[in-house]
Amino acid sequence: EVQLVESGGGLVQPGGSLRLSCAASGFIFSSYEMNWVRQAPGKGLEWLSYISGTSKTIYYADSVKGRFTISRDNAKNSLSLQMNSLRAEDTAVYYCARTRPFVPFDYWGQGTLVIVSS
Amino acid sequence: DIQMTQSPSTLSASVGDRVTITCRASQSISSGLAWYQQKPEKAPKLLIYKASSLESGVPSRFSGSGSGTEFTLTISSLQPDDFATYYCQQYNIYSWTFGQGTKVEIK
Repeated sequence: EVQLVESGGGLVQPGGSLRLSCAASGFIFSSYEMNWVRQAPGKGLEWLSYISGTSKTIYYADSVKGRFTISRDNAKNSLSLQMNSLRAEDTAVYYCARTRPFVPFDYWGQGTLVIVSS
Repeated sequence: DIQMTQSPSTLSASVGDRVTITCRASQSISSGLAWYQQKPEKAPKLLIYKASSLESGVPSRFSGSGSGTEFTLTISSLQPDDFATYYCQQYNIYSWTFGQGTKVEIK
C-alpha cells in the first residue's frame, strides 16, 4: 500500500525557517517524481515544487522560488522541503504528493500544518 | 502562469442529480487536466487525469471531457458520498495550477 506521511510542521515566527519531511513507503520511491502542494486555511490548492526521481530536474512556483528548497533522499525514501524567510501568507497545510507518468498527483499524504505567526 | 477558472463556485444539488462542473484554462493545455475531490480536513483524491481518464478505483459515475481550454467534470447520478469540493488542475505547462474549487452542497 502506498503511504506518504508528512512531518515537521508547527508554529514559526515570521522570517524563520522550518524543514518538512515526507516519508514514503509501499512503492519504489526512486522511480517516482514528487511534489509539495499547500492549502491555506479555507483556501484552494497551490502547487509549490516538483523534483524528478534522480533530483536532476526541479521546479518551483514563483511564490516560493528563492525561499524554499526541495530535496529527496532515495536511500531513505524521504522527500524534504526546506522553508526559509517564512511569511504569514505561508501559513497552510503542506502536502507531499506523488507523480506518475501523465498523472500529476495520484497519492497524497495527510498533510502537516505550518503556522507562521509572532 | 496559466489561470484555471472553475464554474460554478458553489453548486446545490440533490442525490440522483446529474452534476456538471466546468473548468476553463487561460491558454490551451491540450489534455493536461486532472480533477480532484476533497472532503473537509482530508487530502485531495485524484478522480480524472488526462482530461478524461478515470483513475483506478473511482466510480464510473464520474467522467471528464474536453481539451484545449474548456473541460467538464460530470457526475452522472450524485451520491451522498459525493458532497465535497472539486478542483481542476492543469499539468501541461509548469507551473502547475489549480482552479479555485467548486463546492457541491446538499440541496
